[in-house]
Amino acid sequence: SYELTQPPSMSVSPGQTASITCSGDKLGNKYAYWYQQKPGQSPVLVIYQDSMRPSGIPERFSGSNSGNTATLTISGTQAMDEADYYCQAWDTNTYVFGGGTKVTVL
Amino acid sequence: QVQLQESGPGLLTPSETLSLTCNVSGGPISTYTWSWIRQPAGKGLEWIGRIFASGTTNYNPSLKSRVTVSVDTSKNQFSLKLTSVTAADTAVYYCARGTSGSLYYFDSWGQGTLVTVSS
Repeated sequence: SYELTQPPSMSVSPGQTASITCSGDKLGNKYAYWYQQKPGQSPVLVIYQDSMRPSGIPERFSGSNSGNTATLTISGTQAMDEADYYCQAWDTNTYVFGGGTKVTVL
Repeated sequence: QVQLQESGPGLLTPSETLSLTCNVSGGPISTYTWSWIRQPAGKGLEWIGRIFASGTTNYNPSLKSRVTVSVDTSKNQFSLKLTSVTAADTAVYYCARGTSGSLYYFDSWGQGTLVTVSS
């Protein structure tokens, strides 16, 4: 079965750039999607189709996908961006999620 | 603005069947796909299965033998049945709307419902 791998955690200082990676076999040949989940809340889509932002998502969120790695970048990270982030892809009629990355802003 | 709301028992004993329903409001159920996703406490997201309004389904291979997802378009709702539950099935269960076509993501989620399996 297809697998997506994310680092379990990372920390970033306010105002700096956070880059969260998601690795999978030939992931660049698929679309990558990203969700933000804050404690006690449902996930929210922040990036679709590798690099597209849904309405209402701040411009500081961006995405890329090439080779075996998709990356979610948060530029000018704010305290409100502290959350868990999950990547997701579609493979053989199955939605696949990465294990999630906890982003701490400190 | 579509809204999704899960409902169902919050406590089960091992070997019972988990049954949840997701009520969809604010839009027809016919145009999209509808999924169940779960999340054990402190862990990541796991997709369980999806259904089209036509009744076509896809399931996570790891759960396929125990899962049934069904839809009732007249009530604008869809349901999940998971048989022979164990403590490992304890999780928050979300229903979610998925896109149709060539993109595969979830653009709306329910608030989630906690299901605990305990003797």
